[in-house]
Amino acid sequence: DGGITQSPKYLFRKEGQNVTLSCEQNLNHDAMYWYRQDPGQGLRLIYYSQIVNDFQKGDIAEGYSVSREKKESFPLTVTSAQKNPTAFYLCASSKGDSVIQETQYFGPGTRLLVL
Amino acid sequence: GDSVTQMEGPVTLSEEAFLTINCTYTATGYPSLFWYVQYPGEGLQLLLKATKADDKGSNKGFEATYRKETTSFHLEKGSVQVSDSAVYFCALVRMNTGFQKLVFGTGTRLLVSP
Repeated sequence: DGGITQSPKYLFRKEGQNVTLSCEQNLNHDAMYWYRQDPGQGLRLIYYSQIVNDFQKGDIAEGYSVSREKKESFPLTVTSAQKNPTAFYLCASSKGDSVIQETQYFGPGTRLLVL
Repeated sequence: GDSVTQMEGPVTLSEEAFLTINCTYTATGYPSLFWYVQYPGEGLQLLLKATKADDKGSNKGFEATYRKETTSFHLEKGSVQVSDSAVYFCALVRMNTGFQKLVFGTGTRLLVSP
């Protein structure tokens, strides 16, 4: 079955530590996205990538970094510069046809907690 | 800028009751509109969408009509089930220099009791 996998499901970060969240898709999608979800708020866009080896900052990129070396993979690193990293992180992908009605498909999410 | 406003939750209903979750939007041009659903501990799933005025999206008994005159996309279901308990997000998408940007509302939690 095609879909998006995220790992781990739960991740614990110590102060000053960088952690990396994995996102893999086998939908053959060109575009991938990272969102952050906080209680009582909608999803906010962290980074997005329209094609391999290219990515752009979203609305809340500070304290995060990404890479896109393969079409299937879009890992997100939460750096020590992110002072409030506790949240639910969602990865998504879409075909990338640049059509406005295109659907984004979401992974199951990773919950990041600070020790 | 673009924004989506949803009614605050939680919305608490008994099984087989009628559901309405209000959603209004502010946007220039003609965005596409979506409803996503998030079950506990999971990611988001697309529930339905509409791409132009007067379009009606429907899926699993849920419906929403794109009303340009009232800038609304209210979600309705005639008879809810316990399994419909989830958080529902209204969203719009517009193109931004070739990139499809989703703007989400804050979500509305639905609780259905037997």
